[in-house]
Amino acid sequence: EAGVVQSPRYKIIEKKQPVAFWCNPISGHNTLYWYLQNLGQGPELLIRYENEEAVDDSQLPKDRFSAERLKGVDSTLKIQPAELGDSAVYLCASSLGLTGTQYFGPGTRLLVL
Amino acid sequence: QKEVEQNSGPLSVPEGAIASLNCTYSDRGSQSFFWYRQYSGKSPELIMFIYSNGDKEDGRFTAQLNKASQYVSLLIRDSQPSDSATYLCASLEGYQKVTFGIGTKLQVIP
Repeated sequence: EAGVVQSPRYKIIEKKQPVAFWCNPISGHNTLYWYLQNLGQGPELLIRYENEEAVDDSQLPKDRFSAERLKGVDSTLKIQPAELGDSAVYLCASSLGLTGTQYFGPGTRLLVL
Repeated sequence: QKEVEQNSGPLSVPEGAIASLNCTYSDRGSQSFFWYRQYSGKSPELIMFIYSNGDKEDGRFTAQLNKASQYVSLLIRDSQPSDSATYLCASLEGYQKVTFGIGTKLQVIP
């Protein structure tokens, strides 16, 4: 069974540029999470989807971040415009319902110059 | 105060010893607790979970939960250099959200 797929794996952009990350969860997993992980820190939730619905986006900086999960499968996370402080690893995870048993993708390492 | 607290380490143990990783949580409504292992440059992977008071064993790993003290631990017996990683503790709070600690870096010295 294929795991969670994310792309790109690495991205280097200049500040104020837009950037987008894509995630394909494990087949059948209705819950999808986007996390941000800074060096030396644990994953911090940005947004959680149950099927197509964003049920927890309280930590998503909505002035510059947006996300969508069309058809309840793939998801895209966008940052526009990017700031230097956005440099981090963006992790996507999926699960069957809200649970701590989550399966993580390889992550996208973003560097904003 | 973070909802899930871990010492960032590093925790250094000799090969073959028992590594003890600890985690405390503040939300008494937390039902379940999860231990993830994260190798440097990789994503977290689940090792085991626990939701009942007491011990749960899986191979060389034992998770311990004490809800009265709001304390979770992970013991790794016969530690190997390949166990060197960061160990993340996570809690499921009120069926509303999962919160991760900052992780404890474990170094197993050959």
